[in-house]
Amino acid sequence: GAGVSQTPSNKVTEKGKYVELRCDPISGHTALYWYRQSLGQGPEFLIYFQGTGAADDSGLPNDRFFAVRPEGSVSTLKIQRTERGDSAVYLCASSLTAGSLDTQYFGPGTRLTVL
Amino acid sequence: EDQVTQSPEALRLQEGESSSLNCSYTVSGLRGLFWYRQDPGKGPEFLFTLYSAGEEKEKERLKATLTKKESFLHITAPKPEDSATYLCAVKPNNNNDMRFGAGTRLTVKP
Repeated sequence: GAGVSQTPSNKVTEKGKYVELRCDPISGHTALYWYRQSLGQGPEFLIYFQGTGAADDSGLPNDRFFAVRPEGSVSTLKIQRTERGDSAVYLCASSLTAGSLDTQYFGPGTRLTVL
Repeated sequence: EDQVTQSPEALRLQEGESSSLNCSYTVSGLRGLFWYRQDPGKGPEFLFTLYSAGEEKEKERLKATLTKKESFLHITAPKPEDSATYLCAVKPNNNNDMRFGAGTRLTVKP
């Protein structure tokens, strides 16, 4: 079956611009996670959704970052007033439920470059 | 604070040369430890979940083991296609997100 998909695969923007990154989870998965991965590092948790609601947004670095999942499926990560330090690969993962040991399956990521 | 440390940072092996990767962790109660493989430009690919000390899981040339303080990923007779970054992650008792280590970059030369 189809895995997690993310669009765009690459995004280049200028400092101060607004960007939206999209994640399409595996069909039927109720939990959705966003991570950020910098070069040479492991993924760093940003936010996770159970259904439509953000169950934990403690990893969002500041109020320029926001994510939504209005219908409990597709999610959009929104970054306002982008900064060069926001450059990274943004990964999305989904799991069947938010159960403690449900496996998270990752998408290919969106590489964001802020010039 | 929950921490995951992987060693070595990079490992170069000859084809057929077995070795082990280490993942040391400190967490406030471990619900699960996860191993992922990540190829360049791709997202992490799930390999194993370990739940309790003493548990072992195998898949092809890979075997993962778990103690109360660390996990090992043993690679037996590796092939060039095993070249990738191997990521370890833990799920603490108090939340649903995973805490990742920085990974071990494995290169297997033919």
